[in-house]
Amino acid sequence: DQQVKQNSPSLSVQEGRISILNCDYTNSMFDYFLWYKKYPAEGPTFLISISSIKDKNEDGRFTVFLNKSAKHLSLHIVPSQPGDSAVYFCAASGSRSGYSTLTFGKGTMLLVSP
Amino acid sequence: DSGVTQTPKHLITATGQRVTLRCSPRSGDLSVYWYQQSLDQGLQFLIQYYNGEERAKGNILERFSAQQFPDLHSELNLSSLELGDSALYFCASSYRQVNTGELFFGEGSRLTVL
Repeated sequence: DQQVKQNSPSLSVQEGRISILNCDYTNSMFDYFLWYKKYPAEGPTFLISISSIKDKNEDGRFTVFLNKSAKHLSLHIVPSQPGDSAVYFCAASGSRSGYSTLTFGKGTMLLVSP
Repeated sequence: DSGVTQTPKHLITATGQRVTLRCSPRSGDLSVYWYQQSLDQGLQFLIQYYNGEERAKGNILERFSAQQFPDLHSELNLSSLELGDSALYFCASSYRQVNTGELFFGEGSRLTVL
């Protein structure tokens, strides 16, 4: 049973437009959420995170929104750039596990075309 | 470059064999995590070590084992290999045992079982 779901395997966006990547979770014990970006032949790299006490966190072109009641979070990239083309993983953690483990979604491949 | 080094990068072996994957964490990091990424799957947490001791266990098969040595490098041992063990194995590290921040991932070891 997948506890973190990214239902869109891929997303195509034009350069300069907004990219919205979605993530749903089922485990109500999760209270910390992260996004990782992965380029081919590289390991995932941390992008942005949000705690459940917030509903929004912004870092430059990247904003993560959290809707706890819907158990849904999204990553907005504005404006999108070709260099943003990568696989984006949503991940969740919780105090029950001592935040020692991350549960990842399957990822969404973002393609930003010039 | 995340500072996490994994060897080998690629490994091809036969069913029933045993392999060892090695990970050197970032300098100063005490926690090491192992993740498995199979085809079309997200990253599945296997196991975490902190300063030489096992701290958390995920979906790790009994045929798999790991350890962290006094110099903090870690090894993941996979035995009685099956075709389904073919995957990308990532090591990640962090400074703290309890981590709500980012993990630093290596580039992964791609295991192919024939």
